[in-house]
Amino acid sequence: ETGVTQSPTHLIKTRGQQVTLRCSSQSGHNTVSWYQQALGQGPQFIFQYYREEENGRGNFPPRFSGLQFPNYSSELNVNALELDDSALYLCASSNQRGPYEQYFGPGTRLTVT
Amino acid sequence: QQQVKQSPQSLIVQKGGISIINCAYENTAFDYFPWYQQFPGKGPALLIAIRPDVSEKKEGRFTISFNKSAKQFSLHIMDSQPGDSATYFCAASTMDSSYKLIFGSGTRLLVRP
Repeated sequence: ETGVTQSPTHLIKTRGQQVTLRCSSQSGHNTVSWYQQALGQGPQFIFQYYREEENGRGNFPPRFSGLQFPNYSSELNVNALELDDSALYLCASSNQRGPYEQYFGPGTRLTVT
Repeated sequence: QQQVKQSPQSLIVQKGGISIINCAYENTAFDYFPWYQQFPGKGPALLIAIRPDVSEKKEGRFTISFNKSAKQFSLHIMDSQPGDSATYFCAASTMDSSYKLIFGSGTRLLVRP
C-alpha cells in the first residue's frame, strides 16, 4: 500500500508569483484535504475535495484554489503569493468525506521571498 | 468557539515516565477528537481518536481520556520512550464545520534516556 506523496519537497518563490503543489492520495482513498502549517503552529484547514468536488473550505482567500483528478490525486494552487504564505503545505487523504481517519503526506515546504 | 487550546507547549519526561498533554474546547458540537504525532520533517501521523460517547480509549501505550462536561480531553503516554520525542497535536471536528479539522497549537515532547 502506497502512502500519501507530495511534490515538490521544497520550493522557493517570489512574492506575486503563482505556485502549484501536488498530492497523490493513498491507494483506495477518494478524499483529499489540504492544510497550511506555519512554523511552530498546528495545521490549518484550507479545503477538502471528495470525488473531484470541493467539500468544505477553511478561512483562506480565493487565491487558494484546488483541483482533484479522477484518480483522486490533487493540486493546490496559490496565486499572487505573499510573504505570509511561507509554510509547510500538507495533504491528507482518507477513504470518506469529513475529518475522519486522515493520513498525511510529508508536506511541501514553500518559502516566499 | 472554533478553537482548541492545548497545553503544555513543551514537556520533558524521563524514560519510563508518563507524559500527559491536555486540550480544551468550547464548541459542544465537536464530535471527533484525534491526536496526531509529528516528527521533524514529516507530516502528522494519526495516533488515536475518540468520539464523545466514550470516556477513555486505549491503544498500546497511548490513552485518550475524555471529559465531556468539562470539555477537555487528554493524551497519556505510558512508559514514555526516547522514540516518543516528537510534537503532539490534538484536534477536533464536527460534520457541521465544513469538515474542518481544527488543530491545537502543539506540544513538543522530549523524553530523556
